[in-house]
Amino acid sequence: GNSVTQMEGPVTLSEEAFLTINCTYTATGYPSLFWYVQYPGEGLQLLLKATKADDKGSNKGFEATYRKETTSFHLEKGSVQVSDSAVYFCALLTGGGNKLTFGTGTQLKVEL
Amino acid sequence: EAGVAQSPRYKIIEKRQSVAFWCNPISGHATLYWYQQILGQGPKLLIQFQNNGVVDDSQLPKDRFSAERLKGVDSTLKIQPAKLEDSAVYLCASSLGTGRTGELFFGEGSRLTVL
Repeated sequence: GNSVTQMEGPVTLSEEAFLTINCTYTATGYPSLFWYVQYPGEGLQLLLKATKADDKGSNKGFEATYRKETTSFHLEKGSVQVSDSAVYFCALLTGGGNKLTFGTGTQLKVEL
Repeated sequence: EAGVAQSPRYKIIEKRQSVAFWCNPISGHATLYWYQQILGQGPKLLIQFQNNGVVDDSQLPKDRFSAERLKGVDSTLKIQPAKLEDSAVYLCASSLGTGRTGELFFGEGSRLTVL
């Protein structure tokens, strides 16, 4: 079956630090991969996506590259801000399907 | 543009009682989803509607959960009778098309506590 594994949180960083949140997946076929973010008191929202191998999704300074050889889609940001504090969810959608499978989420806390 | 609206935001009930959650998707969005998010877990799809038809309800516990989207717009999710393990956040989401892009718009969720 399809599944997503994320690194456990919480992750606590100082402002301007480099961020990596690991995500690996198991899926049949060739899935599309997503990062969703949930800011405090808000609903989940799409942060970025990649639909095929070697694609790089990017948004708001965040990036993630679809690595088929390692079945990974790690989220990175070069310099985090306090406003990036949120819960980040990795997710996949299998080809031909329309059901997202989410990871358990990773809480990020950025301090001054 | 108004987002996905959900109510109530919070509900506390005792086990064996019933509860209903309401969702109004973004205007024009054909597909509506209900997800269950238990603390420490990722969201799990309960049911997916396209217009007023059910696309996927394979993970909906049909002995106690029901959902409807009668006019293809807003939707209600009901739990009767509730169990302790139903304590979770119930998320409603919508998408413009069939959902094959994976781009969903979520509401803020309805947090249920079953005592």
